[in-house]
Amino acid sequence: AQSVAQPEDQVNVAEGNPLTVKCTYSVSGNPYLFWYVQYPNRGLQFLLKYITGDNLVKGSYGFEAEFNKSQTSFHLKKPSALVSDSALYFCAVRVLRGATNKLIFGTGTLLAVQP
Amino acid sequence: KAGVTQTPRYLIKTRGQQVTLSCSPISGHRSVSWYQQTPGQGLQFLFEYFSETQRNKGNFPGRFSGRQFSNSRSEMNVSTLELGDSALYLCASGVSGGGGDTQYFGPGTRLTVL
Repeated sequence: AQSVAQPEDQVNVAEGNPLTVKCTYSVSGNPYLFWYVQYPNRGLQFLLKYITGDNLVKGSYGFEAEFNKSQTSFHLKKPSALVSDSALYFCAVRVLRGATNKLIFGTGTLLAVQP
Repeated sequence: KAGVTQTPRYLIKTRGQQVTLSCSPISGHRSVSWYQQTPGQGLQFLFEYFSETQRNKGNFPGRFSGRQFSNSRSEMNVSTLELGDSALYLCASGVSGGGGDTQYFGPGTRLTVL
């Protein structure tokens, strides 16, 4: 089955420290991977995506993600966390199978950055 | 460019009623997808439209339907509302909806069924 997993419900980090939000995937063929962020009572905001090429993808607001094919992972990272980064983060994979084309989302990871 | 817009932002309905939600995609985007977000089930795919045709459908009952107009605007309809339909309904648009195509989300419509 094609799926994406976010093993941590919550990640706590102090402001100024590096942060990592984990994501692993299971998909047939080449994966198309995405990260989104959701602030309270808001829709999802696109951060970055991996299609092909360089395994390190840079995105919005200083975030980056590392694609690791052997570990089937796509972890989101930021060198120095800000309090304003506190939000719900979703990893997603696009499923392409026959006529099916849809995004499957992980369960989300709540990032809490303490001042 | 203006982002994806959804109306209304909030709705309160009672069981048995029906509701129509509207989504206007980013200009030039022809793919529109709908998702339901609940605390228990997370984000679940409802359906996707492209050029006025439903291209993909998730595992939701037939009470959930949608359509897309020639200007790419989309509507979603839920008939015979149930308490479990209370959720945040998100619309997303993309240029083509293809493999690496980015979907951009609207702010959502918060539906409460009493």
